[in-house]
Amino acid sequence: GAGVSQSPSNKVTEKGKDVELRCDPISGHTALYWYRQRLGQGLEFLIYFQGNSAPDKSGLPSDRFSAERTGESVSTLTIQRTQQEDSAVYLCASSSRGGTQYFGPGTRLLVL
Amino acid sequence: DQQVKQNSPSLSVQEGRISILNCDYTNSMFDYFLWYKKYPAEGPTFLISISSIKDKNEDGRFTVFLNKSAKHLSLHIVPSQPGDSAVYFCAASGQMAMRFGAGTRLTVKP
Repeated sequence: GAGVSQSPSNKVTEKGKDVELRCDPISGHTALYWYRQRLGQGLEFLIYFQGNSAPDKSGLPSDRFSAERTGESVSTLTIQRTQQEDSAVYLCASSSRGGTQYFGPGTRLLVL
Repeated sequence: DQQVKQNSPSLSVQEGRISILNCDYTNSMFDYFLWYKKYPAEGPTFLISISSIKDKNEDGRFTVFLNKSAKHLSLHIVPSQPGDSAVYFCAASGQMAMRFGAGTRLTVKP
């Protein structure tokens, strides 16, 4: 079956521009997570959606970052006024409640 | 916040030997622990997990040990194979969202 998909796979943008990253979770998965992995660093938690509950936004690094999820389907992560330190691989994962997370291939963002 | 720590950024072992990857956590509310494996240019994939009610879980060549009193878990791979070369992430979850360690890059030399 289809796994988690993310788009675009690569994104190059200029400093100060806004970017939007998309995640399509596995059908039926109620939980969706966004992570960031900077070069040479580990996975950094950003935000977590679980069903209709209020999202856990505790990992968002600044108010330039926001994410939305429509029901239990697609999620978008938006970064406004991008900075060079935002360059990273942005990973999305989905799971059934309490289950193993399945990761997408990631979006590689480069801010020039 | 560094709630999950992997203090060794890299590990190199000879093929056939045991690989031991370590992970420490600080939040006693974590009750479920996982290891993920990541190859370059791919997303992490689930490897093995353990619930806090257990102290050991084995799956083929992979065994995860949990020491709750020390807030420490480890992943043993035996025998190690060159195809095991990857970055291994330790993760912990509870009522809160899952937290990951920084990863350990394992290199298994033929």
